[in-house]
Amino acid sequence: EIILTQSPGTLSLSPGERATLSCRASQSVSSSYLAWYQQKPGQAPRLLIYGASSRATGIPDRFSGSGSGTDFTLTISRLEPEDFAMYYCQQYGSSPYTFGQGTKLEIK
Amino acid sequence: QLQLQESGPGLVKPSETLSLTCSVSGGSVSSSGYYWGWIRLPPGKGLEWIGYIYYSGSTVYNPSLKSRVTISVDTSKNQFSLKLSSVTAVDTAVYHCARLSSWRGRNWFDTWGQGTLVTVSS
Repeated sequence: EIILTQSPGTLSLSPGERATLSCRASQSVSSSYLAWYQQKPGQAPRLLIYGASSRATGIPDRFSGSGSGTDFTLTISRLEPEDFAMYYCQQYGSSPYTFGQGTKLEIK
Repeated sequence: QLQLQESGPGLVKPSETLSLTCSVSGGSVSSSGYYWGWIRLPPGKGLEWIGYIYYSGSTVYNPSLKSRVTISVDTSKNQFSLKLSSVTAVDTAVYHCARLSSWRGRNWFDTWGQGTLVTVSS
């Protein structure tokens, strides 16, 4: 099973700043089959990125994904107030599909 | 707009079977190329993938839960369901249903339900 480790656990930033979230895999994720999700309290998780770098439909271009192999990054170029939430990475290259523990992005 | 809604008992006794249904609106469980799955979030822990199903009835389960899980689909009602047998307190979690998109045999969760809390307790 591929273990995903997200860092930092909590990220405190201000609106307008740049956010960089990391997701590291215990072994290589085949063909960059990695996704990122955003979840706000009481809401359904929302797909942001799939295939490591492809934005999902309707996702603003301030969200971008990069990386390959074992190291992946989600970048939010300029934080908006609605971006403060929980973020999860997930690999779907091998079974079982696994998720990271999440990064909480909070307002500083 | 595709929407998914979980329903079922919020409290299940230990050793019994947890049963949840996901109702799909704004789309069809019979749509070619999409799968339908379940994920859970235990309190204080990370997300765990449970399994998924295609409208034909073919299923893939997480090996850690495979012996206790059954996912089924009812195309006439546009629903799919989860059954988890012999539950214990560790099965207490928020359960989400989701649609999976597919590419080259790999699937990611493109739309999620809000989730429903199921507590296992006597």
